This record gives sequence, structure tokens and C-alpha cells, in this order.
Amino acid sequence: GQSLEQPSEVTAVEGAIVQINCTYQTSGFYGLSWYQQHDGGAPTFLSYNALDGLEETGRFSSFLSRSDSYGYLLLQELQMKDSASYFCAVRAKHDYKLSFGAGTTVTVRA
Amino acid sequence: GAVVSQHPSWVICKSGTSVKIECRSLDFQATTMFWYRQFPKQSLMLMATSNEGSKATYEQGVEKDKFLINHASLTLSTLTVTSAHPEDSSFYICSATSGSSSYNEQFFGPGTRLTVL
Repeated sequence: GQSLEQPSEVTAVEGAIVQINCTYQTSGFYGLSWYQQHDGGAPTFLSYNALDGLEETGRFSSFLSRSDSYGYLLLQELQMKDSASYFCAVRAKHDYKLSFGAGTTVTVRA
Repeated sequence: GAVVSQHPSWVICKSGTSVKIECRSLDFQATTMFWYRQFPKQSLMLMATSNEGSKATYEQGVEKDKFLINHASLTLSTLTVTSAHPEDSSFYICSATSGSSSYNEQFFGPGTRLTVL
């Protein structure tokens, strides 16, 4: 099976930078994804890494090191609207199933 | 593009009744749809995977006779919670993938909040 670990909570002020780490254990690996979910809402896709390195999409970046079974999501120039839960998810097989981490609640304060 | 809808968005039912939740891909054909359950402040737990025209594959511990999944077309999957009980109260979310992107991104529906009295 798959297991993922990420911090449960992070608090930061507006304009700050937050890094959410995710370590995983999986029998196979096809990629690591990140999703954002606001309270009561649906998860929305943020990024995907299949190869080592950094992927940048606006204020959000995601990094992957397959040798370390580790990735992170970097949130820059934090805004109040970034307050949400962030989930890492691993795709372990050739099918399309995702296994999600427990989620990190990010709270942005003024 | 890549919009997934769910209906209803919330439902309250009495214990022992059955509830059907629909998941539709609005602007693409979904080769595969997934059903998740999420309890408050917890992660998404995959319940089952469904492919159009074939039986759903259920995750370990999920009762297939209680959670009936039908994937009748490339744009519609339904989840029926049979003989619902209060412990079935949860947020049910579907997702769909078209299989056309390089990483087969899952597009999530807005979720259905089920409350069983």
C-alpha cells in the first residue's frame, strides 16, 4: 500500500512563504500531486511532479526528489484566500488511482 | 473545461432509506470515475473506481452491496447508499479522468454532503 506524511497545520502571515513537506512510501511511483481544498469545497488541482525538480506555477511551486521519496509545495506571497487544506497525493500504479495524505491546514493571518 | 458536477449538493435522509448521488462530467468523456468519502477534518478516502460499462472496483473495507456504483455512460456515474445509517453521514466526492493528459489529472466534483438522521 501507500502511506504519505505531511504536517497537520501551518500558520503564517500575509506575504510570507510557506513550505509543506510530504514524504511517501509506495510500492510504485508514477507521480506526486498537490490539491487545495477550502472548507466545504471540492479539491482543486495545483500541481503534479513525475520527475525530480521544481515545477513553478505562479505563486505556487512544487518540488520532487524521487530518491528521497519526498516532495514539497511552496506557497509564496501568501494571501488570505490561501487559507485552506492542502493535500499531497501519490499515484503509485499505471492506473489512475490517487492515495492522499492527511492534509495540511494552512491558516493565513493578517 | 474539465468540469465535473454532482447532484444533489446536500441531502438529509432518514435512517434505513437509500440515497442516490449523481456525478457527471460536463465537457469531457470520463474513462474512469472515482468515488471518495471524506469525514470532517480528514483526508479523502477512495471508496471505489468505476469504468464505463464495467463493474466498479471497491477498495478494501468498502461494502459493495451497501455502496452501489453504476457507470452507465462516459459522462455519468451514480453512487447509491443503500439502507443508510447515521455513520454513513459524510462528504461524498467524485472525480473523473479522461485519460487524455500526460498525468491523467483527476477533476473533482463539488461534493455531496449526506446527513442521515
